[in-house]
Order: sequence, then C-alpha cells, then structure tokens
Amino acid sequence: DAGVTQSPTHLIKTRGQQVTLRCSPKSGHDTVSWYQQALGQGPQFIFQYYEEEERQRGNFPDRFSGHQFPNYSSELNVNALLLGDSALYLCASSSLAENQPQHFGDGTRLSIL
Amino acid sequence: RKEVEQDPGPFNVPEGATVAFNCTYSNSASQSFFWYRQDCRKEPKLLMSVYSSGNEDGRFTAQLNRASQYISLLIRDSKLSDSATYLCVVNEDSSYKLIFGSGTRLLVRP
Repeated sequence: DAGVTQSPTHLIKTRGQQVTLRCSPKSGHDTVSWYQQALGQGPQFIFQYYEEEERQRGNFPDRFSGHQFPNYSSELNVNALLLGDSALYLCASSSLAENQPQHFGDGTRLSIL
Repeated sequence: RKEVEQDPGPFNVPEGATVAFNCTYSNSASQSFFWYRQDCRKEPKLLMSVYSSGNEDGRFTAQLNRASQYISLLIRDSKLSDSATYLCVVNEDSSYKLIFGSGTRLLVRP
C-alpha cells in the first residue's frame, strides 16, 4: 500500500518562472493538504482540497494555486517565483470520514536561483 | 504571538538521559494535538497524538494541560536514534489544517 507520493523530489527554477508540484494521496484518503517548510521553520499550511475544491486556505498569496483531480491526486502551482519561495513543499493526505492524523509525503525541495 | 511556540534548542543530552520538551499554543479552542518527528531533510512523521489524560508509548510520554494551553513530550532512556527535530502540532478544528511549531532539536550523544 503506497503512502503519499510526491514529484519531483528536487527542482531548481529561476525568479519569475512558474512551477507545478504533484501529489498522490495514500490509498483510501480523499483530502489533500499542502504545506511550505522554509529552512529552520515548521511547515506552514498553504491550502487543502476535498472533492476537487479548495476547502481552506492559509496566508499565502494568489500566486499559489492548486487543483484536485477526480482520483484525489493534487497539484500545487506557484507563479512568478520569488527567491523566498525556496522551501520544502509537503503534501499530506487524510480521510475526512476517519478523523485520523495526516500522513506526509517525502516532499519536493524547490530552489529558486 | 506565534500560534504554537517551542524552544528551538538544541537539547544536547547523553545516551540514556531523560529529556522533556514543552510547547504552548494560543488558541484555547484547539481540538487535537500531536507530536511529529522530523529527521534532517525528511518529511515529518507522526510520533504520537496527545490526549487530555496523558498517554504513553514505550519510552515516550505526552501530556496536555488545556487550562495552561501547554503540551509536553518526555523521552526516557534516550537513544542515538532519537536525534531529530520534534514538532509540536495543533489542530484548531476538524478541518485538518495543522499548525506547527518551529520544532525543538534534540541531539543525543554517545
């Protein structure tokens, strides 16, 4: 039973570019949350998707957008990249019905040059 | 004021020592509490949930004081493999938005 999988594992972009990160939730999970973790900080909530809609959003600008597909997988898109967007991007999945703690993927390490 | 506050450490302890981490949270309506462990450049992994009555899992004991909005984690008989960052995590409602502290770093030396 695969856990949460994310791709790519590492990515290097330059300022102003756009990036798409992908996440497949753990089997049986229907909710996907995205977090940004800067160096030396705890993860910060970006947004959460359930039934292909954004349910909740953290304090991130509109440059950060997302999508959830019918198979529950999700994408995180970031436009007009800034140096400060360099971070580990974590995807977590859960089942709304089961009320269990979230499981995290390995993350995508994004570096902006 | 940060929503979840932790001492960043590092806590540098010898093998076999007992070490305690504390965490405070600002929202008194918070509903669920967890400790996650994160190894260097890896994803956070759930260590244990924290219940009002306190709970234990082997060498690890977690306690919650709702009146003081305070969570603790006690590690007994520290192992070298316990070296990691320990993240205090709060869920304010049933939406699964987790709020993380910045983490407390633990180094266990031989």
